[in-house]
Amino acid sequence: EVQLLESGGGLVQPGGSLRLSCAVSGFTISTNDMSWVRQAPGKGLEWVSIISRSGDSTYYADSVKGRFTISRDTSKNRLYLQMNSLRADDTAVYYCAKGGWLEHWGQGTLVTVSS
Amino acid sequence: DIQMTQSPSSLSASVGDRVTITCRPSQVIRNGLGWFQQKPGKAPKRLIYAASTLDSGVPSRFSGSGSGTEFTLTISSLQPEDSATYYCLQHNSFPYTFGQGTKLEI
Repeated sequence: EVQLLESGGGLVQPGGSLRLSCAVSGFTISTNDMSWVRQAPGKGLEWVSIISRSGDSTYYADSVKGRFTISRDTSKNRLYLQMNSLRADDTAVYYCAKGGWLEHWGQGTLVTVSS
Repeated sequence: DIQMTQSPSSLSASVGDRVTITCRPSQVIRNGLGWFQQKPGKAPKRLIYAASTLDSGVPSRFSGSGSGTEFTLTISSLQPEDSATYYCLQHNSFPYTFGQGTKLEI
């Protein structure tokens, strides 16, 4: 059974950093693209980032480019999102998802950026 | 970047009705479009990928069609459990982009 479990969310001050983690079971991330999507409270979905199955290619939404970094640890079958220079408008539930076409989703982890 | 215009933003319908939701990308995309359903407090669930391919386990009353600059999600006979917000996603070129969402009330 495919499962994705995000962790690492919480309250952080503007300008701060946070690293999200996504623990995967039921498939191997080294053979799948992996993605992050976020949803601000009461708002729609926003695509954030993707890492290719080879790990060689990464892409980002313009809103996070230069501040967020997607990475993975294939030995642990985990996906990560390093978030730096956080702003209030980064407040959202962050979901990890299998594939570039978002085949399966985790339940999300809430990140709140506030002083 | 490709902008996705989704309409309507909300609609109300009755059990048994047929409804259609439309997404229009700002430029031509091939069949790189997916449809997602999200219920309150839950993670989104993919219904359709590559514009018209139904995900496993998704009821056949859901269907997707279109190409180029117009795509549609059709629910042929609404059921109470279809009450949700629906989103399209273009996965033709980076950065991928979602439509604004359609809230469907039954």
